[in-house]
Amino acid sequence: ETGVTQTPRHLVMGMTNKKSLKCEQHLGHNAMYWYKQSAKKPLELMFVYNFKEQTENNSVPSRFSPECPNSSHLFLHLHTLQPEDSALYLCASSQDKGRDQPQHFGDGTRLSIL
Amino acid sequence: DQQVKQNSPSLSVQEGRISILNCDYTNSMFDYFLWYKKYPAEGPTFLISISSIKDKNEDGRFTVFLNKSAKHLSLHIVPSQPGDSAVYFCAAKGNTGNQFYFGTGTSLTVIP
Repeated sequence: ETGVTQTPRHLVMGMTNKKSLKCEQHLGHNAMYWYKQSAKKPLELMFVYNFKEQTENNSVPSRFSPECPNSSHLFLHLHTLQPEDSALYLCASSQDKGRDQPQHFGDGTRLSIL
Repeated sequence: DQQVKQNSPSLSVQEGRISILNCDYTNSMFDYFLWYKKYPAEGPTFLISISSIKDKNEDGRFTVFLNKSAKHLSLHIVPSQPGDSAVYFCAAKGNTGNQFYFGTGTSLTVIP
């Protein structure tokens, strides 16, 4: 496999459920990102990890909890979500954070909160 | 407040003609700009980039132009092909921090 892989592709959950989104990159990159894309809004950066360390949290509610066990894997743990959290969640990676280089995106997880 | 704006939500172009997608930004500290292309049910794919030391970057059928004084960049696709039909996002980053700011996208339809 190559590139950035996200699972699951679709997720429907109730507000009291706990679930996790998974991201894996096979590009040898050191930085990984979570983005949220809501309808008719630009991509919003949620979290940044560089060499497994979280370097940015863009004022994300605590019901979203990221985890980065190594440079290739990134998780987003979800609990007690709200209907407004329904969106497309995109994972991305880049060689390093902060440099002028593109980010490579996965295909996203479409999350629906009932 | 949105720092990167794509004011045209959609654009239709005949096959073989030029497609011009526009993007405006407000932050004069932005110095690196990218265009991404997104097909339905797929993630954005990097297309082309430009740094603020240049005013033009070309890659095959794709050319990005940067007008720093106007805080404007554009993507030219020539000739346009039906496979170019997708949503195009522009993004920008400053020289401090690592956050990219994205536009809301322009949906391009190339008519055969």
